[in-house]
Amino acid sequence: DTGVSQNPRHKITKRGQNVTFRCDPISEHNRLYWYRQTLGQGPEFLTYFQNEAQLEKSRLLSDRFSAERPKGSFSTLEIQRTEQGDSAMYLCASGHRDRGEETQYFGPGTRLLVL
Amino acid sequence: AQKVTQAQTEISVVEKEDVTLDCVYETRDTTYYLFWYKQPPSGELVFLIRRNSFDEQNEISGRYSWNFQKSTSSFNFTITASQVVDSAVYFCALSEAENFVFGPGTRLSVLP
Repeated sequence: DTGVSQNPRHKITKRGQNVTFRCDPISEHNRLYWYRQTLGQGPEFLTYFQNEAQLEKSRLLSDRFSAERPKGSFSTLEIQRTEQGDSAMYLCASGHRDRGEETQYFGPGTRLLVL
Repeated sequence: AQKVTQAQTEISVVEKEDVTLDCVYETRDTTYYLFWYKQPPSGELVFLIRRNSFDEQNEISGRYSWNFQKSTSSFNFTITASQVVDSAVYFCALSEAENFVFGPGTRLSVLP
């Protein structure tokens, strides 16, 4: 257990529905990352926050995706109008950058299946 | 652009054999970090090691060792006397500035 938690662990939804995932990072970490991982592939970066500011978004993050981190604590990732291609494992990681060094600690992920 | 290559898609070894997982990276930056992560069947990524680009010393941690060679842009990972519990997918990753890129992973199966 890395100390990063994600909820729910599994989500099945119908195409066109909206879904929201939550990530609770390690409390002293100021950085929070979202990744997507499909079967047989490595994680792909989606977006990250430093405190409450969203500093970078991948081009993989279409307009249907939005992420927030109010108050620099937990974060939510929402997918609107889900498509079957959104089916994947969504991973959250937290990290702390100190003097240029950082390590990310991953949560258990939320597995999304869009029918 | 950053790139991480793990040429070995799958490796199978018998318990107690040594195994080396290869990682080759591409970057134009002089300051960067290299990582190895383990993803067991349970799915949760586990951090194993971080290396910065200025530290080429090899590292050993128990049965694990890492060989970082800037001249060949490689950061290979060796497991000595492998065990069944080492069976997992292993990812090499590269971080420079604000980008974090993972390789495709190597699936290691350790057979009893």
